Amino acid sequence: QQKVQQSPESLSVPEGGMASFNCTSSDRNFQYFWWYRQHSGEGPKALMSIFSDGDKKEGRFTAHLNKASLHVSLHIRDSQPSDSALYFCAASDLNAYKVIFGKGTHLHVLP
Amino acid sequence: DTTVKQNPRYKLARVGKPVNLICSQTMNHDTMYWYQKKPNQAPKLLLFYYDKILNREADTFEKFQSSRPNNSFCSLYIGSAGLEYSAMYLCASSRDRGAETLYFGSGTRLTVL
Repeated sequence: QQKVQQSPESLSVPEGGMASFNCTSSDRNFQYFWWYRQHSGEGPKALMSIFSDGDKKEGRFTAHLNKASLHVSLHIRDSQPSDSALYFCAASDLNAYKVIFGKGTHLHVLP
Repeated sequence: DTTVKQNPRYKLARVGKPVNLICSQTMNHDTMYWYQKKPNQAPKLLLFYYDKILNREADTFEKFQSSRPNNSFCSLYIGSAGLEYSAMYLCASSRDRGAETLYFGSGTRLTVL
């Protein structure tokens, strides 16, 4: 069973629109979260981390974490065509020092 | 400079033959990881080194070997490639272990024929 579940699998938004992604951990040991973004032909790059309940904002990107439900979301406002990429949620188990990834969400920003 | 380099970018291998993939990082990071990525699947953690200590995942323990001759380099070795090993292999490093950001290379796409 996947320990990190992401939804949706694919998402299309118009340029300037809001893109939203969801992620849930099924293992209470994995409760430190990151969002990574991968453009075609490149490796994943970290967008932001979130370890505490509530919102964390960095520019156009906002992450929200609910530790009780182990649910984290990512919202991109004013989406740009350059935001088109594969977005991964990752979770860390501090005890085992592992970082586990979800399957990812494909974002298409339509000009 | 946050650079992780992987060589080669593409690799062809024959079934039953060995495969060796190389990764290097210039950030003096203590931890280096190898992930396997197949289409429509999550990147799967294969193993990681913390300093000189190798940690391999239980379900891939016998399939992959690794070495880390110094802090900067890490290799992934497949003794006898099978068709199921065809995948993108991603190397990453982090400053420490645990709640740390991973820095990835661009990957090596392995095709086993």
